[in-house]
Amino acid sequence: DTAVSQTPKYLVTQMGNDKSIKCEQNLGHDTMYWYKQDSKKFLKIMFSYNNKELIINETVPNRFSPKSPDKAHLNLHINSLELGDSAVYFCASSHYRGSTDTQYFGPGTRLTVL
Amino acid sequence: DAKTTQPNSMESNEEEPVHLPCNHSTISGTDYIHWYRQLPSQGPEYVIHGLTSNVNNRMASLAIAEDRKSSTLILHRATLRDAAVYYCILRDGFNDYKLSFGAGTTVTVRA
Repeated sequence: DTAVSQTPKYLVTQMGNDKSIKCEQNLGHDTMYWYKQDSKKFLKIMFSYNNKELIINETVPNRFSPKSPDKAHLNLHINSLELGDSAVYFCASSHYRGSTDTQYFGPGTRLTVL
Repeated sequence: DAKTTQPNSMESNEEEPVHLPCNHSTISGTDYIHWYRQLPSQGPEYVIHGLTSNVNNRMASLAIAEDRKSSTLILHRATLRDAAVYYCILRDGFNDYKLSFGAGTTVTVRA
């Protein structure tokens, strides 16, 4: 069983479109995250949810809207896609929020905006 | 945020140990040292973390300098499956729940 899963794995779309990425974790964790990895492989946090509540929004444009219907799911909706949104997006989860927690990452969604 | 410095790349032969250095001269007393790795086309995965003492687990060992300004991740017997980018990350002990990865060290393992 996959611990953290994401769909789709690849997403190719035109500028201006709206798209969603789904994430599910079956680890029973309370905290979930969205990260963006750019072409230089730098990984930056975008959002963090704890028990379905938004905890962190790291200066992400409001075209990005996370939704957590329950503790096991954290989806990412992106409106009006731009070329600069092309990246790999990773979902992650952890048991709790803290500096010693282990974060478990999904396989990533490679988004290409044309 | 305290920064880390790692070599861009390292090569190793299969079955040999790999020592991956990380410099973090501005580390604060409450910063934990974490290592994650990312295999090709996969998400990052946790390797090990420590605060002051050396740490061992089934994947690797972490040797932390006495002044904590540097640390070394040790893969005792490299396998082809260990070829990945290894990231050294500092996380504040009080409120650093997020991970922020730099460029990391790309490890190549020769058969």
